[in-house]
Amino acid sequence: KQEVTQIPAALSVPEGENLVLNCSFTDSAIYNLQWFRQDPGKGLTSLLLIQSSQREQTSGRLNASLDKSSGRSTLYIAASQPGDSATYLCAVRASGSRLTFGEGTQLTVNP
Amino acid sequence: DGGITQSPKYLFRKEGQNVTLSCEQNLNHDAMYWYRQDPGQGLRLIYYSQIVNDFQKGDIAEGYSVSREKKESFPLTVTSAQKNPTAFYLCASSISGVDGYTFGSGTRLTVV
Repeated sequence: KQEVTQIPAALSVPEGENLVLNCSFTDSAIYNLQWFRQDPGKGLTSLLLIQSSQREQTSGRLNASLDKSSGRSTLYIAASQPGDSATYLCAVRASGSRLTFGEGTQLTVNP
Repeated sequence: DGGITQSPKYLFRKEGQNVTLSCEQNLNHDAMYWYRQDPGQGLRLIYYSQIVNDFQKGDIAEGYSVSREKKESFPLTVTSAQKNPTAFYLCASSISGVDGYTFGSGTRLTVV
């Protein structure tokens, strides 16, 4: 059974800092990995989707990498801003069409 | 604009009542999903459907039922058999295969 772990569970940083969120998964036979952002009481917003054949994806200040063989992904956020404060969720898609989620990293960026 | 619409945003239910949560998408996606989110437990899959008139149980299907009569719609009924229904419910869709998921804005259900 696929398990997804996100470290750290919570992170508080000053504005302007570069930061890395980590995601690990137990079964490397995945189709893709997706990073989401969730604001309190809201739905999930997709940030980046990495297919299993890709090593990384970039969107603005965000960069996600994937090392399928070691079961790891990182989300790099450059020059963090208070508006980046949210919970970040990692999810992997393996057999069938199901997504398995980590429990998230709660990020606070202080002005 | 294409997307997923969940309604209502907030729902209150008395114990012993069934309630139905609506999920509609205009993305022409084949697959649709229902997740439940509880604090400290992440998202758990309730039911999913990869095609009209077909659906499968997820990890926590007991006390829930679904239907998929139209491609655009995947309503979730929370029955009185669900012992702890208070939670945040999220609907999602994807093109079957290796595409990413798109989520709705969620319905918060509270049992009173």
